[in-house]
Amino acid sequence: QSVLTQPPSTSGTPGQRVTISCSGSSSNIGSNYVYWYQQLPGTAPKLLIYRNNQRPSGVPDRFSGSKSGTSASLAISGLRSEDEADYYCATWDDSLSAWVFGGGTKLTVL
Amino acid sequence: EVRLVESGGDLVQPGESLRLSCAASGFTVSSNYMSWVRQAPGKGLEWVSVIYGGGTTYYADSVKGRFTISRHKSENTLYLQMNSLRAEDTAVYYCARGGAYNYHFDYWGQGTLVTVSS
Repeated sequence: QSVLTQPPSTSGTPGQRVTISCSGSSSNIGSNYVYWYQQLPGTAPKLLIYRNNQRPSGVPDRFSGSKSGTSASLAISGLRSEDEADYYCATWDDSLSAWVFGGGTKLTVL
Repeated sequence: EVRLVESGGDLVQPGESLRLSCAASGFTVSSNYMSWVRQAPGKGLEWVSVIYGGGTTYYADSVKGRFTISRHKSENTLYLQMNSLRAEDTAVYYCARGGAYNYHFDYWGQGTLVTVSS
C-alpha cells in the first residue's frame, strides 16, 4: 500500500486533456513539494515535474503540475501516443523522514 | 552529461547475498545525495536507501539490517550490499541522484534486475 494514492489507470484520445491525481496527507504533500516522474515501458523513471509545477529543460509545456492542500495533479494536454506511460508522484514525508511514491497511474492513449 | 550505469543484478537463492554497483559520470558521487530505489515486477517505486555527501546513511524499514549502501570515492561508484535476500526483494534496482529532504531524484540509471528464487 503506497503512502500516496493515485488512480491505477486512466485513458484519453489523441489531442485530449487528461489529469492524474495524487492524494497524500499533511506530513507529505501538505508540507512539501510534489514531483512527477514518467516511466515509459521498459525504461527508468524520468523527472517530469519538480517543485509542484516546474518543468525540467526539455519537457514539453503540454505537461503541467499543481498542488492544493494535501493533493496534487498532473495534467497532460494535447495528448500524444508517445505519452503512453506510467506516471508516479513523489514527495518527502516528514513523519517517515523518507521519500514516498504514489502507486503509479498507467496512461493509455486510445 | 550525467550518467548512471547499474550492474550486478542476478538470480540468487533466498538467504544469499549480492552486491550492486552504480558507476557515475558527469558529477561526483561523494558530493551528492545518492539513493537506491527499487521496483518489484508490475509494481510501483519504493525508496530503499540513501547516502549523504557526509556519509550518513538511511534505510527503508524493509531492508534495514540486511542492506548496506556505500560508495567508492576514486571510482565514483555507488554500491548496495544486499544480504539475507528474500523473495520480496525481487525487483529492478535503480540508482538515482538525490533522495534527501529538498533533494529530489533528478537522474536515474537504467536499472539492474535482482531475482530471489529457489
